[in-house]
Amino acid sequence: LAKTTQPISMDSYEGQEVNITCSHNNIATNDYITWYQQFPSQGPRFIIQGYKTKVTNEVASLFIPADRKSSTLSLPRVSLSDTAVYYCLVDRSGGYQKVTFGTGTKLQVIP
Amino acid sequence: DVKVTQSSRYLVKRTGEKVFLECVQDMDHENMFWYRQDPGLGLRLIYFSYDVKMKEKGDIPEGYSVSREKKERFSLILESASTNQTSMYLCASSSLRDRGVDTEAFFGQGTRLTVV
Repeated sequence: LAKTTQPISMDSYEGQEVNITCSHNNIATNDYITWYQQFPSQGPRFIIQGYKTKVTNEVASLFIPADRKSSTLSLPRVSLSDTAVYYCLVDRSGGYQKVTFGTGTKLQVIP
Repeated sequence: DVKVTQSSRYLVKRTGEKVFLECVQDMDHENMFWYRQDPGLGLRLIYFSYDVKMKEKGDIPEGYSVSREKKERFSLILESASTNQTSMYLCASSSLRDRGVDTEAFFGQGTRLTVV
């Protein structure tokens, strides 16, 4: 499975757009890119998933360049409640899946 | 509302005890997972199961075993608890992924286990 690398931590002011980039140089053809959010004392929660180009939902956007060796999670106009750890995962479609997390990016939103 | 339920939120056990952590999901998911989470180390996969009575080792299976006798239930067993197994344990489930169809893993609230 492709290993992911993302910043350990980031700070942002309320109302700003936040972009968290994840690198996955060894991504395979049938791998998807998935992002999770985790608040303290809770289990992670799915945010968004994509394979290529751009995916947008009510929470975030995910940008994936053509070579798919990296991806960027974009959170528009963050609020204090977006303070959390964000995990980037690369996992395989088809058959059973081994969902492996890294250490994530701790986002601190500042008033 | 979909649910993954872990039997205990907090547990305190003594060194050498046999410990059972239970997880139940109500979504008819094929896949179930056990992770532990420690500060600075993120989530690490202990074991996962993709079917009843099937199990696969994750990244850190040593000191643990699992049981999946029914589709909805996945148990993590610490045969002889040690202090280095003090951690937050998280259970998750997901459906079997078909190519092109995205699925997500649903997590329980976690069990904070302290071994003294």
